[in-house]
Amino acid sequence: LAKTTQPISMDSYEGQEVNITCSHNNIATNDYITWYQQFPSQGPRFIIQGYKTKVTNEVASLFIPADRKSSTLSLPRVSLSDTAVYYCLVGDGNYGQNFVFGPGTRLSVLP
Amino acid sequence: DAGVTQSPTHLIKTRGQQVTLRCSPKSGHDTVSWYQQALGQGPQFIFQYYEEEERQRGNFPDRFSGHQFPNYSSELNVNALLLGDSALYLCASFRQATNYGYTFGSGTRLTVV
Repeated sequence: LAKTTQPISMDSYEGQEVNITCSHNNIATNDYITWYQQFPSQGPRFIIQGYKTKVTNEVASLFIPADRKSSTLSLPRVSLSDTAVYYCLVGDGNYGQNFVFGPGTRLSVLP
Repeated sequence: DAGVTQSPTHLIKTRGQQVTLRCSPKSGHDTVSWYQQALGQGPQFIFQYYEEEERQRGNFPDRFSGHQFPNYSSELNVNALLLGDSALYLCASFRQATNYGYTFGSGTRLTVV
């Protein structure tokens, strides 16, 4: 399984765009990149998933360069409620989806 | 549509006891994974069940065992509890042959005293 590296923590202010970059140098051909958000004492929540180029949904965008060795989660105009831990995971899209979680990035949004 | 349901939400056990945690996957999902999350750390993969069989296992001792039932629900059993087993236990489900991420439950907070 590909190992991921993310910043341990980030600070931002309300209304700003936040970009969290994840490195996954050993990503395999079949691997997808998935981001989760977790609030204290809750299970992680799926944010977005992609394979290559750019994916956008109602809450975030995911940018994946051609070599797929990194990815960037972009959160537009963050609010205080976006304060959470964000995990980048890389895993096979087949039955072996035993994604390995790292320590994640603790995002603090300040007023 | 209910998501992943876990029970109980909180549990206190004594060292050496045994515990069973339960999980009902999201409707339409057929695969269940269990994770252990210690305070301040990311979730650690315990094992995954599909078609009532353990398909993948993380680096956890045999004291941790599980089961999946024909209705896709699952149980996690932990024997001979240690203080270090205190954690949030998360159940996650997904449907095979799809490329969407897991849906997680809110977890069971286990405290071993």
